[in-house]
Amino acid sequence: DAKTTQPPSMDCAEGRAANLPCNHSTISGNEYVYWYRQIHSQGPQYIIHGLKNNETNEMASLIITEDRKSSTLILPHATLRDTAVYYCIVRGGFYNQGGKLIFGQGTELSVKP
Amino acid sequence: NAGVTQTPKFQVLKTGQSMTLQCAQDMNHEYMSWYRQDPGMGLRLIHYSVGAGITDQGEVPNGYNVSRSTTEDFPLRLLSAAPSQTSVYFCASSYSQTATYGYTFGSGTRLTVV
Repeated sequence: DAKTTQPPSMDCAEGRAANLPCNHSTISGNEYVYWYRQIHSQGPQYIIHGLKNNETNEMASLIITEDRKSSTLILPHATLRDTAVYYCIVRGGFYNQGGKLIFGQGTELSVKP
Repeated sequence: NAGVTQTPKFQVLKTGQSMTLQCAQDMNHEYMSWYRQDPGMGLRLIHYSVGAGITDQGEVPNGYNVSRSTTEDFPLRLLSAAPSQTSVYFCASSYSQTATYGYTFGSGTRLTVV
């Protein structure tokens, strides 16, 4: 699975959009981009994933560049409860490494009033 | 629909004791897995299962056993607890281990071995 690079921390004002970037320049054609978050000491929570096209669900939007070498997770109206560590993970193939998720250091997002 | 349920939430063991961490899911997921999370190490895969009766090792399996007799349950056994096994343990499940599905995680078991 391709490696990812994320900024270690970001701040966002409550009610504003939070845009979290991720670089995955070595991504290959069959690899998906996933986003999870972990709110203080809780289990990781799945947010969204995509392959090529931009994706949106009730939690967030995922924008993947045309060359797929980077992506941005967008939380449209951040709240204090969105304060968490956000992980960008690249996964690919079928039955790859036992389905192992490789969590890097992630981005610690602080939403401030 | 409870999702993934882990018990207990907290546990303190003495070195050499054995115990079983329980994980149950009610989503009819075929794939289940165990991770441990240590400070500065991220989450590491211990064992996983792609269906009832099928288990395999992850990247840090030593000192742990698993079994999968039903689709719903995937217990993790510590055979002889060591201080190095002090960690937070998470169970995760999914329809499949393929990259097209996201995982649902439990809330974790915080284990301290003294």
